[in-house]
Amino acid sequence: QQQVKQSPQSLIVQKGGISIINCAYENTAFDYFPWYQQFPGKGPALLIAIRPDVSEKKEGRFTISFNKSAKQFSLHIMDSQPGDSATYFCAARLWDKIIFGKGTRLHILP
Amino acid sequence: EPEVTQTPSHQVTQMGQEVILRCVPISNHLYFYWYRQILGQKVEFLVSFYNNEISEKSEIFDDQFSVERPDGSNFTLKIRSTKLEDSAMYFCASSEDYGTVQETQYFGPGTRLLVL
Repeated sequence: QQQVKQSPQSLIVQKGGISIINCAYENTAFDYFPWYQQFPGKGPALLIAIRPDVSEKKEGRFTISFNKSAKQFSLHIMDSQPGDSATYFCAARLWDKIIFGKGTRLHILP
Repeated sequence: EPEVTQTPSHQVTQMGQEVILRCVPISNHLYFYWYRQILGQKVEFLVSFYNNEISEKSEIFDDQFSVERPDGSNFTLKIRSTKLEDSAMYFCASSEDYGTVQETQYFGPGTRLLVL
């Protein structure tokens, strides 16, 4: 199975709150899990990425939590800001192709 | 900061016509990719290219599609006879390496293709 399942489809969070996006996968051959942020009319931009041998990675307000046994990973955005409003894609790499989830449209209320 | 560039930003074409989408990857990158995103849907892998040949392609990348690196800087996607369902945003991406810390794929801003 080469899918990456992402939820929720859309998310509304108050400014200063925590935004949480969840993803799941089946294929244990995936070796790299990036998260991309996309603004309207722009290409996906890498936000943060993790390898499956690491359980957590934090960069500023963004944290990936990775559960290899459950085949799940999530993105936490702490102190969410209106500028974080965008579509977020979880993804997984198989060989040299990136397989994207369907995306989460995040809206941060001012 | 170096970035992937794509031209044109928008392309409108008639069904059955050939289109060429152009990309300039980041200069020291060796791996090149095309993805597409149909409006409102997820980004889908089309093809990867390394050392002047296709290394992997998806089911979407049929005989109507071809890629080329005609010189040291450009990377092109050609759709020989466009269909209505080819209407999408096409993203070029590049990476310096694979399987190392330089493995990040950097995406261009995309070309929005509309087939009428």
